[in-house]
Amino acid sequence: EDQVTQSPEALRLQEGESSSLNCSYTVSGLRGLFWYRQDPGKGPEFLFTLYSAGEEKEKERLKATLTKKESFLHITAPKPEDSATYLCAVQARNQGGKLIFGQGTELSVKP
Amino acid sequence: ETGVTQTPRHLVMGMTNKKSLKCEQHLGHNAMYWYKQSAKKPLELMFVYNFKEQTENNSVPSRFSPECPNSSHLFLHLHTLQPEDSALYLCASSQDLFIGPRGAYNEQFFGPGTRLTVL
Repeated sequence: EDQVTQSPEALRLQEGESSSLNCSYTVSGLRGLFWYRQDPGKGPEFLFTLYSAGEEKEKERLKATLTKKESFLHITAPKPEDSATYLCAVQARNQGGKLIFGQGTELSVKP
Repeated sequence: ETGVTQTPRHLVMGMTNKKSLKCEQHLGHNAMYWYKQSAKKPLELMFVYNFKEQTENNSVPSRFSPECPNSSHLFLHLHTLQPEDSALYLCASSQDLFIGPRGAYNEQFFGPGTRLTVL
């Protein structure tokens, strides 16, 4: 069964304290892995798509990496405005347009 | 209007009411989706439409009835809901369903959601 697990469920950081979020997945043929950011009361906002192991993408203080079993979202020197829930999702080759989401990591960055 | 819009943003309804949620995308996309987001649970796909045709119904109860009159508009008709149906309902769209052979991306763009409360 295709599955996505994110850890930790919640993460509290001090401003400037770098860390990583994990997304572990099991899927029968990965078509793509997606990272989203979701602020309270809003819909998820697209961040990155990763297609194959070894691929990396960067955007400001965020860097996403992908292996055959997991993806990491590295946050370098975070700021309070990076506080949000970060969602990971995978699309399998035999699942049409279906995205399977993890439960998310709630990140809080304190000044 | 840009991106994906949803109306209403908040909805409170009784179990015997009939209401509809509306989604419109201004991105020229071909695929549209309905998701349910309950507290502390992963986003749950409900329906997928591609070029107005439904391609996926993820075992959703019949009290939820989708409608896609064209590639830009998507509705979710609600009737005789239960309190456990209270959640954030999100609409999304993507250029296509699949990632093409040259890696064309099909990331989904989400609307702000409708916060539904069933009394």
